[in-house]
This record gives sequence, structure tokens and C-alpha cells, in this order.
Amino acid sequence: KQEVTQIPAALSVPEGENLVLNCSFTDSAIYNLQWFRQDPGKGLTSLLLIQSSQREQTSGRLNASLDKSSGRSTLYIAASQPGDSATYLCAVRGGAQKLVFGQGTRLTINP
Amino acid sequence: EAGVAQSPRYKIIEKRQSVAFWCNPISGHATLYWYQQILGQGPKLLIQFQNNGVVDDSQLPKDRFSAERLKGVDSTLKIQPAKLEDSAVYLCASSGQGTVNTEAFFGQGTRLTVV
Repeated sequence: KQEVTQIPAALSVPEGENLVLNCSFTDSAIYNLQWFRQDPGKGLTSLLLIQSSQREQTSGRLNASLDKSSGRSTLYIAASQPGDSATYLCAVRGGAQKLVFGQGTRLTINP
Repeated sequence: EAGVAQSPRYKIIEKRQSVAFWCNPISGHATLYWYQQILGQGPKLLIQFQNNGVVDDSQLPKDRFSAERLKGVDSTLKIQPAKLEDSAVYLCASSGQGTVNTEAFFGQGTRLTVV
């Protein structure tokens, strides 16, 4: 059974810092990994999708990496801004289109 | 392209009452998911459909929850009777048929409060 863990559960940093969010999974037989953002009271917005054969994906100030063999992914946020404050979730897609989520990291960027 | 539509956005009911949530996925998406997200936790899969067939409902409390996906398009999730611990956000998502490049898209969710 696939299990996904995100560390840390919460993170608070001053504006302008670069930061890394971590995601680990137990079963390396995945098709892809997706990073989502969730604002309070809202649904999930997809940020990046990394296919199982890829090592990283970039979108603006966001860079996600994937090491499938070790069951790890990181989301790097450069030059953080207060508007980046949200909960960040990772999800892995495995066989039969199963999509398993981590618990999320609640990020606060302080002005 | 229209996104995943969910309704209602908010619902407040008393315990032991019944409630239903509706989801319209992105057109052409074969896979539809219902997740339950309790405050401060990650989404937990309740049920997954492939077209109008159930792929996984192992975490669905079948004594009180039911779901259907008629004609492989819209889906309805029902709770009857509701308990206090059912207070959560119910998220619907859909995705296409592919594998490595298949992305999941989520609706805005329905926030249920059971009092």
C-alpha cells in the first residue's frame, strides 16, 4: 500500500528566502508525481507534474525534483513572497490511476 | 476548457440528516475521484470511478456513504445518516486515461458542517 509523507508539517519563513518542501513515498512504482497548492477554504490547484522518467520540472519560481528510486521529491520555492502562503500537497499516481496524497506542508511567508 | 464543477459549495446539516454532493468532471475524463479532507489533514480517497465502474471504494464507509456515476459522467456522493465526524471538505477530481503525463484536476470542494 502506497504511503506518502510530507515534512515538515508546517514552515514559517521571512519573505525573500528560498525554501524546500519534502515529499517521500514508499512504493517507487509510480507513473508521476504532482505538487498542488491549496488556499484556505479552496480546492487544489496543480503546480507541477513530474513524470516517472523525469528528474525535475520548473515553473517560474518553482522547481520540483523527483528521485523515484529513493522515493523522494522536493519542491523548491525561490525568493518566497507572502502570496506563496498556502498548504502544499504532493500526490503520487500509481497503478489503476490511484492517486495518493501526503498530509501537506502549511507554509507561511512573513512580510 | 471548463474545470471540475462541484455543488453546493457549503452545507450545514444536523447529525442524522442526509446530504448529497454533485460533481461534473472535465469533459472526456474517464477517471473520477471523491476525496474527504478533514481540517489540517491531506485528502483521503473515498471512491474512484473508471467510467461508470468502481475501481476502489475500500475507504468508503458503506454503512452511511454511497456514490454513483451515471453514464460515466456526473457523479453524486450521499451521506445518510450524517455524523459529527463527517464534517470535512469533500473534493471531486477527474483525470484522463493516460499514465505518466496524466494530470488530476480538482473542483472547489464542498465544505460540510454537521452540527
